[in-house]
Amino acid sequence: NAGVTQTPKFRVLKTGQSMTLLCAQDMNHEYMYWYRQDPGMGLRLIHYSVGEGTTAKGEVPDGYNVSRLKKQNFLLGLESAAPSQTSVYFCASSYSEEAGSTDTQYFGPGTRLTVL
Amino acid sequence: QQPVQSPQAVILREGEDAVINCSSSKALYSVHWYRQKHGEAPVFLMILLKGGEQKGHEKISASFNEKKQQSSLYLTASQLSYSGTYFCGTEYSGAGSYQLTFGKGTKLSVIP
Repeated sequence: NAGVTQTPKFRVLKTGQSMTLLCAQDMNHEYMYWYRQDPGMGLRLIHYSVGEGTTAKGEVPDGYNVSRLKKQNFLLGLESAAPSQTSVYFCASSYSEEAGSTDTQYFGPGTRLTVL
Repeated sequence: QQPVQSPQAVILREGEDAVINCSSSKALYSVHWYRQKHGEAPVFLMILLKGGEQKGHEKISASFNEKKQQSSLYLTASQLSYSGTYFCGTEYSGAGSYQLTFGKGTKLSVIP
């Protein structure tokens, strides 16, 4: 049982390049999330998904796209990377005991992205 | 709207107690607490639900004041392993929120 995994762990991009971050979970969770963490800012929600085939915008969605084609995977894409997207990205998943609420979120180890 | 955590940072000696507060200007459905050590992922500590139900960590306790829309995390007899940054995540009242909004964190350092 690996929990939540993220690939890659580190990445350096040049401005304008694109990339996809992969998140996978083996806990059969319905909900999945992408956060970014910047110094002094806490965790900010980028996009989230409440089930296979569904996605929604979070607090800071601009410049990112997501897809949830399979229940266990949640992909985060950067189409044209900018230096402002330099950050640590965390994926999380959760099981919900009732509709409309979130239970414990399990976080992946993070991806450290630098955009030059 | 991001909840406000206080204090921003605190230094304790082993065995001392600390309280971390999390306040919201919006009505809360639940408050979640996480701890993050440097270079690692956040780890779940506790959930407090509207109505008073509490779950979580055996050596750390918390309260949820619905009238004040505030939660407090209590760390008693602190240990070196308590060091890290504590985040509260708030879930707002209303159907279908599905998401947490995290505060900026409180950095706790426990020294011998």
